[in-house]
Amino acid sequence: AQTVTQSQPEMSVQEAETVTLSCTYDTSENNYYLFWYKQPPSRQMILVIRQEAYKQQNATENRFSVNFQKAAKSFSLKISDSQLGDTAMYFCALTGTASKLTFGTGTRLQVTL
Amino acid sequence: DAGVTQSPTHLIKTRGQQVTLRCSPKSGHDTVSWYQQALGQGPQFIFQYYEEEERQRGNFPDRFSGHQFPNYSSELNVNALLLGDSALYLCASRVDRIFPNEAFFGQGTRLTVV
Repeated sequence: AQTVTQSQPEMSVQEAETVTLSCTYDTSENNYYLFWYKQPPSRQMILVIRQEAYKQQNATENRFSVNFQKAAKSFSLKISDSQLGDTAMYFCALTGTASKLTFGTGTRLQVTL
Repeated sequence: DAGVTQSPTHLIKTRGQQVTLRCSPKSGHDTVSWYQQALGQGPQFIFQYYEEEERQRGNFPDRFSGHQFPNYSSELNVNALLLGDSALYLCASRVDRIFPNEAFFGQGTRLTVV
């Protein structure tokens, strides 16, 4: 079975500052992938960033980067230069060979002026 | 490209009734998955369809059933609705032969059971 845990229900950050969202996971598979999805009030899940477990290098996408610690089964998301448009629910998700996504409970991020 | 489209966007049903939700996948996608997202929770996997067959199923009762059509569109049916079935239902599509390519999500159907 796969599990994903997000221990921060809510986070707040000021515009232009940096924030880190935490995620831990568990899986028995060797070949798996991790994702961070953003869900704004429009409800549509939008992929923010992905990480292949076999890659040691941390993924980056513009202002978004991850800290992937495979041995610790940790996958945190860092958002730099936070913008008001980053306000949303953020979900950490895991998929293995079965291709279904297992999501965490989410972190509500509020970016303030 | 219209992306993943779901209909209807909102729905109110009475306990015991049956409901059908619809999903059109992104162009070129052949695999459709359905997720249930209760308020304040992360999405939970219901089932996945590929080549018109249910390929995987999550921990949901048989009241939840689905279908995939030759054009890859899909339906989610829920019978004997319970109050606890109130949730946002998300559809996601992807291309099967490419792993683990990105799953694209629709905007969901908000189901309220009263």
